[in-house]
Amino acid sequence: QLQLQGSGPRQVKPSETLSLTCSVSGGSLSSSRYFWGWIRQSPEKGLEWIGSLDDSGSTYYNPSLKSRVSISEDTSKNEFSLRLTSVTAADTAVYFCARDRHYYDTASYAFDVWGQGTMVTVSS
Amino acid sequence: DIQMTQSPSSLSASVGDRVTITCRASQSISNYLNWFQQKPGKAPNLLIYGASTLQSGVPSRFSGSGSGTDFTLTISSLQPEDFATYYCQQSYGVPRTFGQGTKVDI
Repeated sequence: QLQLQGSGPRQVKPSETLSLTCSVSGGSLSSSRYFWGWIRQSPEKGLEWIGSLDDSGSTYYNPSLKSRVSISEDTSKNEFSLRLTSVTAADTAVYFCARDRHYYDTASYAFDVWGQGTMVTVSS
Repeated sequence: DIQMTQSPSSLSASVGDRVTITCRASQSISNYLNWFQQKPGKAPNLLIYGASTLQSGVPSRFSGSGSGTDFTLTISSLQPEDFATYYCQQSYGVPRTFGQGTKVDI
């Protein structure tokens, strides 16, 4: 059974870089049917898609964050990571990693497996 | 960005009630619409993908319908474990966007 486990610092100072890692167990990051994504949730913005990584290593980012975000993978460790630079208080949120599955029957994508969420606070 | 608007924002219901939640997209998204359930302190849980296909393991009292811009999630007979917040999400365009949520409580 696939499980995702997010990890990283719970507090980041303004203007610094937020870095989170998602460890994948019970399945392979290299599987061709899946993308891998990051989503965050705050009371102010609700659920917000940050970006996704596809099975060829290509990345797709939310244009509102594109200048500050990068998602990468380490297949040897079966994990993928999020970096968000120049953070402000507006980046305070619960950050989720998730598997973005392609469903052949509907030719659509959906986040079908989620990590537990990591609360990150931006504060000095 | 494609805006997703849910209604109502909250509703009160009782066990056994039939509940319907509506989601409207700001442009046509075909059937690229997913529904999630979220309980406090937990990650969202996928209920329905492709507007109307039930995710494996999800009870059959949940159903989804719609295409284009208007979609509905229906719970045919509300159970105690269904009190939660429900979100729609489109996977038609980038960025993926979510509705603001509908809280279902007693």
